[in-house]
Amino acid sequence: GEDVEQSLFLSVREGDSSVINCTYTDSSSTYLYWYKQEPGAGLQLLTYIFSNMDMKQDQRLTVLLNKKDKHLSLRIADTQTGDSAIYFCAESSGTYKYIFGTGTRLKVLA
Amino acid sequence: ETGVTQTPRHLVMGMTNKKSLKCEQHLGHNAMYWYKQSAKKPLELMFVYNFKEQTENNSVPSRFSPECPNSSHLFLHLHTLQPEDSALYLCASSQAWVGGGGQETQYFGPGTRLLVL
Repeated sequence: GEDVEQSLFLSVREGDSSVINCTYTDSSSTYLYWYKQEPGAGLQLLTYIFSNMDMKQDQRLTVLLNKKDKHLSLRIADTQTGDSAIYFCAESSGTYKYIFGTGTRLKVLA
Repeated sequence: ETGVTQTPRHLVMGMTNKKSLKCEQHLGHNAMYWYKQSAKKPLELMFVYNFKEQTENNSVPSRFSPECPNSSHLFLHLHTLQPEDSALYLCASSQAWVGGGGQETQYFGPGTRLLVL
């Protein structure tokens, strides 16, 4: 079946940039998403990118998509302690069926 | 209330109990979802309702029974659960699916943390 993979942990210092990576296998992926989950909370949509785009920037967030390698990344500039959370990558081929990764736990050190 | 709300936020139940989880969305959406989030596993889609019609049952055991009385409310009825059913149950909603190729972003509630003893 289709799969989305992420590394489990990432630790960065406050003020540095964080880069969270994701790979997926579905070649028909149309939309790719990044969600953030804080402790005790549900998933908060951060951003998404359409598969015909290479990059999308939204304030401190930059999403890069390499469709050839099926690689998606989320860069958070000037990472703050409030960015500490679990970040989920998800892909969809234009239906309601999202395939989620296992999530990357980002820890920001003061 | 805004967004997607879920009650209760925490639930402890015995294996012989019957309980229900409730989800309500205030976004004007017509599609609603139940997901199960277990530790170290990807989110598992359980059920999908599109315009109150169930369009997906992802091989979920019959001890989980969904109900969608209208487009704003979704329930998950639980009975004779097993300890391995302990997890975070997330509800989501989106615009309804009216055909392929659309982008209907899903918005999630805070979840119900369920513990089955």
